[in-house]
Amino acid sequence: GENVEQHPSTLSVQEGDSAVIKCTYSDSASNYFPWYKQELGKRPQLIIDIRSNVGEKKDQRIAVTLNKTAKHFSLHITETQPEDSAVYFCAASMYSGAGSYQLTFGKGTKLSVIP
Amino acid sequence: NAGVTQTPKFQVLKTGQSMTLQCAQDMNHNSMYWYRQDPGMGLRLIYYSASEGTTDKGEVPNGYNVSRLNKREFSLRLESAAPSQTSVYFCASSALAGVEQYFGPGTRLTVT
Repeated sequence: GENVEQHPSTLSVQEGDSAVIKCTYSDSASNYFPWYKQELGKRPQLIIDIRSNVGEKKDQRIAVTLNKTAKHFSLHITETQPEDSAVYFCAASMYSGAGSYQLTFGKGTKLSVIP
Repeated sequence: NAGVTQTPKFQVLKTGQSMTLQCAQDMNHNSMYWYRQDPGMGLRLIYYSASEGTTDKGEVPNGYNVSRLNKREFSLRLESAAPSQTSVYFCASSALAGVEQYFGPGTRLTVT
């Protein structure tokens, strides 16, 4: 099955700096890569996603890049703010047979933005 | 439009007791999922239902059963709870299997 590795597990940055979180995946057939943000005690929420036919996608201060050849994708947050502090999860979607797809999640990165 | 709802929010069980976690969505989504979240382990898929009438095992199905009651509802049952099942359980749904998933608020379960 699919295996998703996420690094780093913790990340501290100064407010205003950039943060980068990287993920690698094992199944070359994976074709959808979402990122979720989870604040303490809350549910995971989708913040951005990218499909395998696109190399980069941007939404205001967040961007995701995908390198299909190397099988890795990254989340970039610019001009970080204290409210960006949360746990971020990457995921990869793989075909699991009989018309079904499932997401495999990385273990998460705890981002702390220091004011 | 409530999105994905889960009941209960919190539950404490004794070892060997059974319970059912309920999940419902009002977004007319085809696919529904159950995950568990443990510290440092991310989200692990227990069971999923790609469409009404089908269910499949995920990464960690042992000790659990599911029922896709109708298009809106997907329940998770623990027949004989064990301390290893202490976790936060999230239900999610998506319009199609494997694409954007929307999560419920979670159920925090403690088994003593």
